[in-house]
Amino acid sequence: DADVTQTPRNRITKTGKRIMLECSQTKGHDRMYWYRQDPGLGLRLIYYSFDVKDINKGEISDGYSVSRQAQAKFSLSLESAIPNQTALYFCATSDPTSGISSYNEQFFGPGTRLTVL
Amino acid sequence: SQKIEQNSEALNIQEGKTATLTCNYTNYSPAYLQWYRQDPGRGPVFLLLIRENEKEKRKERLKVTFDTTLKQSLFHITASQPADSATYLCALTMDSNYQLIWGAGTKLIIKP
Repeated sequence: DADVTQTPRNRITKTGKRIMLECSQTKGHDRMYWYRQDPGLGLRLIYYSFDVKDINKGEISDGYSVSRQAQAKFSLSLESAIPNQTALYFCATSDPTSGISSYNEQFFGPGTRLTVL
Repeated sequence: SQKIEQNSEALNIQEGKTATLTCNYTNYSPAYLQWYRQDPGRGPVFLLLIRENEKEKRKERLKVTFDTTLKQSLFHITASQPADSATYLCALTMDSNYQLIWGAGTKLIIKP
């Protein structure tokens, strides 16, 4: 079984609709992240969470919200989707206890391809 | 302005040769630099991490160098194989926060 899963894998929606992307992990990591990836651009951080009670905005949080329902679950919502939110969305996790504190590797899910018409 | 640059053009390498990918950055002082591999339709997968006080790090056929004076990291794959074909991403971590700042990646194509 995959350690980081994302649902749905693909979604087509219309402008103005509310969309939720879900992420679950079985790695037992406290830290979780949401990124978007656009062609020709690096991954950009939307939100991150260091534990269930901690939520932080990333570089491009406008138009997005998140919920950390449990250590294993981190959801991303688009309250009113717009076409320029069409992108590939990734969830990731990391474990600050695995040796080199906060700078260690991140583990990614398979991504959700979102198209907003 | 702050930038991370990776060659946007695909790199074509003959099988068996060494592939070298470049990651340049400006106006950052990273504490760590990481390299990831991304296959089409998949999430990035961690390969190597190098710290600012390390010059070189190796793992099997992979080698990463980090020159903080030149503000550059080089990623080498020796004895390249078609299975090494993928997009390779570099990412910086500053000492002051926990976020990764990503390059756009370079697509590597290893021809048989």
